[in-house]
Amino acid sequence: GNSVTQMEGPVTLSEEAFLTINCTYTATGYPSLFWYVQYPGEGLQLLLKATKADDKGSNKGFEATYRKETTSFHLEKGSVQVSDSAVYFCALSNSNNQGGKLIFGQGTELSVKP
Amino acid sequence: EAQVTQNPRYLITVTGKKLTVTCSQNMNHEYMSWYRQDPGLGLRQIYYSMNVEVTDKGDVPEGYKVSRKEKRNFPLILESPSPNQTSLYFCASSFRAVPAYEQYFGPGTRLTVT
Repeated sequence: GNSVTQMEGPVTLSEEAFLTINCTYTATGYPSLFWYVQYPGEGLQLLLKATKADDKGSNKGFEATYRKETTSFHLEKGSVQVSDSAVYFCALSNSNNQGGKLIFGQGTELSVKP
Repeated sequence: EAQVTQNPRYLITVTGKKLTVTCSQNMNHEYMSWYRQDPGLGLRQIYYSMNVEVTDKGDVPEGYKVSRKEKRNFPLILESPSPNQTSLYFCASSFRAVPAYEQYFGPGTRLTVT
């Protein structure tokens, strides 16, 4: 079946540090991959997405590359800010699975200290 | 402003007392979905709807009902809530139920069943 595994948190970094949050997936066919972000007290927002192998999604300084050979979609940012503190969810959606249902990883909490 | 709204945002109730959580979107989206978020489990889909009068079960539908009589509304009904339904609930919508469309999330409803 389809599943997503992401690194456990919490992750604590100092401002301007480099961020990597690992995400690997299991899926048949060619899923679309997403990173969603949840700021405290809010719903989830799409951060970036990639729909085919080797695509790179990017937004707000965050990047992730769809690697089919390693079934990975790791999130990176070169220099984090305090305002990036949030929970990050990796997710996939597959056309062979309930018409586009999002399957989420367990979430990784990021805390950035000044 | 394009948005998904949910009401109430917070609810404390007792076992067995029927409740409804409303969800409404103003983007004319075809696809709507309910998720629950539990620590360590990420988000799991409860029910989804591909369009008006078309609903189907997600991964954890037991104890829940939904209806889709109008395109904009997708209420979640708990006919006899139990303590294991204590959770954070999110409604989401997207233009269509194909994999690459962004899903827009509501702000969440925190439900406690005692």
